[in-house]
Amino acid sequence: EAGVVQSPRYKIIEKKQPVAFWCNPISGHNTLYWYLQNLGQGPELLIRYENEEAVDDSQLPKDRFSAERLKGVDSTLKIQPAELGDSAVYLCASSLDGTGGTGELFFGEGSRLTVL
Amino acid sequence: AQSVSQHNHHVILSEAASLELGCNYSYGGTVNLFWYVQYPGQHLQLLLKYFSGDPLVKGIKGFEAEFIKSKFSFNLRKPSVQWSDTAEYFCAVNGPGGFKTIFGAGTRLFVKA
Repeated sequence: EAGVVQSPRYKIIEKKQPVAFWCNPISGHNTLYWYLQNLGQGPELLIRYENEEAVDDSQLPKDRFSAERLKGVDSTLKIQPAELGDSAVYLCASSLDGTGGTGELFFGEGSRLTVL
Repeated sequence: AQSVSQHNHHVILSEAASLELGCNYSYGGTVNLFWYVQYPGQHLQLLLKYFSGDPLVKGIKGFEAEFIKSKFSFNLRKPSVQWSDTAEYFCAVNGPGGFKTIFGAGTRLFVKA
């Protein structure tokens, strides 16, 4: 079974530039998450999708961050414009039973962003 | 506020030593508890989980964890670590429905061969 696929693995940009990350979840997983992981910290939820609906985006900085999950499968997270403080690892995860289940998460390898 | 606290940020052990990583959580109501592991260069993956039943749960690679409800704890243990256990370990919790998983800051374990 293929795992969660993310791209790019690494991205280096200058501040004020835009950047986008892509995620393809495990087939059949209806729930998709984007997490932010800063150095030395655990993952923090940015947004959760149930199919194509963003059901929890309370932690997403909406002034510069946006996300979409068209057709309820793969998803894109965008930052525009990027700031120095956005340097972090952006993790995508999916789960089979986000609603009514235990929410066991399956993670991708992450996209490491460096903003210069 | 909901939170997860991991007591040690860095742990160094020699092979064959016993391991116990502490985890305490603050979360109202029924909880599901997890330990995730990230080996060097790999993605986060589930080590073990508790959501009901026997509070002593066993995971992969000889790890186990005990849920003590009265202490809001879910400590991870392994009787004898190996060099290959070198990794970062994250404790995590979510509530009914599994909606919002909250992670601790992680513990980096280094096992000396």
